[in-house]
Amino acid sequence: QKEVEQDPGPLSVPEGAIVSLNCTYSNSAFQYFMWYRQYSRKGPELLMYTYSSGNKEDGRFTAQVDKSSKYISLFIRDSQPSDSATYLCAMSAPGSGNTGKLIFGQGTTLQVKP
Amino acid sequence: KAGVTQTPRYLIKTRGQQVTLSCSPISGHRSVSWYQQTPGQGLQFLFEYFSETQRNKGNFPGRFSGRQFSNSRSEMNVSTLELGDSALYLCASSLEVMGDTQYFGPGTRLTVL
Repeated sequence: QKEVEQDPGPLSVPEGAIVSLNCTYSNSAFQYFMWYRQYSRKGPELLMYTYSSGNKEDGRFTAQVDKSSKYISLFIRDSQPSDSATYLCAMSAPGSGNTGKLIFGQGTTLQVKP
Repeated sequence: KAGVTQTPRYLIKTRGQQVTLSCSPISGHRSVSWYQQTPGQGLQFLFEYFSETQRNKGNFPGRFSGRQFSNSRSEMNVSTLELGDSALYLCASSLEVMGDTQYFGPGTRLTVL
């Protein structure tokens, strides 16, 4: 079983829809949670960063972390065709044995249709 | 501020050869991490360097190695290439603070024939 599970999709929605992307994880030591967006043939671009539990909002994007359930989510409001990309969740744990190491989900491919 | 840069962007090699990839981090960032991305395995951590020292290493064979220079630029080397090494190799940089966000470069796409 992978440490981080993410449904690869693909997920197809109409323009303007609310998109919900999710990841579950098994390692309770994870403290730092990130969402990256990756366009085809590009490197991942950081979208959201959350420390421990709670919600964080940035424009049309909201990230939620529920450590009790080991579950994180990314919501995209008023989705646009330009949001079509692969969304990767990533997380890391503190400690000298984890420096610089992010554990990624498989990525969810999202298509927003005009 | 310029982002993370990686060179070359594309490489084609044959089995048994070796390859060196280069990464220049964001100015002021001292930590550089390397990842391998494949369709089957996704993004997997290779190793991390800080102040010219490897601080952490993922579960890859010894054919994968790296180093970091005094200006924080980093290189990774893969020796005796195998077909399965075909992948997008990504470099990410961050400040030295634990849990700090990592910023990725565009990657080097390596094809092994």
